[in-house]
Amino acid sequence: AQTVTQSQPEMSVQEAETVTLSCTYDTSESDYYLFWYKQPPSRQMILVIRQEAYKQQNATENRFSVNFQKAAKSFSLKISDSQLGDAAMYFCAHNQGGKLIFGQGTELSVKP
Amino acid sequence: DTGVSQDPRHKITKRGQNVTFRCDPISEHNRLYWYRQTLGQGPEFLTYFQNEAQLEKSRLLSDRFSAERPKGSFSTLEIQRTEQGDSAMYLCASSPLGINTLRVNEQFFGPGTRLTVL
Repeated sequence: AQTVTQSQPEMSVQEAETVTLSCTYDTSESDYYLFWYKQPPSRQMILVIRQEAYKQQNATENRFSVNFQKAAKSFSLKISDSQLGDAAMYFCAHNQGGKLIFGQGTELSVKP
Repeated sequence: DTGVSQDPRHKITKRGQNVTFRCDPISEHNRLYWYRQTLGQGPEFLTYFQNEAQLEKSRLLSDRFSAERPKGSFSTLEIQRTEQGDSAMYLCASSPLGINTLRVNEQFFGPGTRLTVL
């Protein structure tokens, strides 16, 4: 079965600190893509960062970076210099054919 | 511009009624997806289109659900004889088609339609 597991239902971080959100996945695809999406309260889902599985180099987008461990099927998101606006639900996902398979989400709160 | 738009944003209906939702994708995007998201969960795939062709349907999509994309532009999702278990956020997403396969798999989401079945 194609699954995505986010083992941390909730996380909290102090403003300006660094936090890491965990994600593991299982797929039988040999070539695939991984994504982190952010869903603020009552707002739409937006893409934070993406990783091509055939690339060994970890993706980085400004304060967001990933630690991609293909053999372990792990794809964690690191948020540096956390800001109040980072508070949201974060979903890890991978593609299966044309669709995305999502994890259960991690709710991140940022303390001022 | 225009991102993905969905209408209505909220819908309250009584059990047994039919409802229809509309999604307008980003204009140059060929693929259009429907997902359902219940409270505290990640989105679950329902179905997707490439142009007007419906390429895949989830087993979650019972025979009370039907989706169309008649001209390869906007799409509608209809739920017949609604049940309380249908209460959820219905999300639409779109992605482009092309030789850049990463871009093909990068989906852009709309704000969703929140359905409440009483």
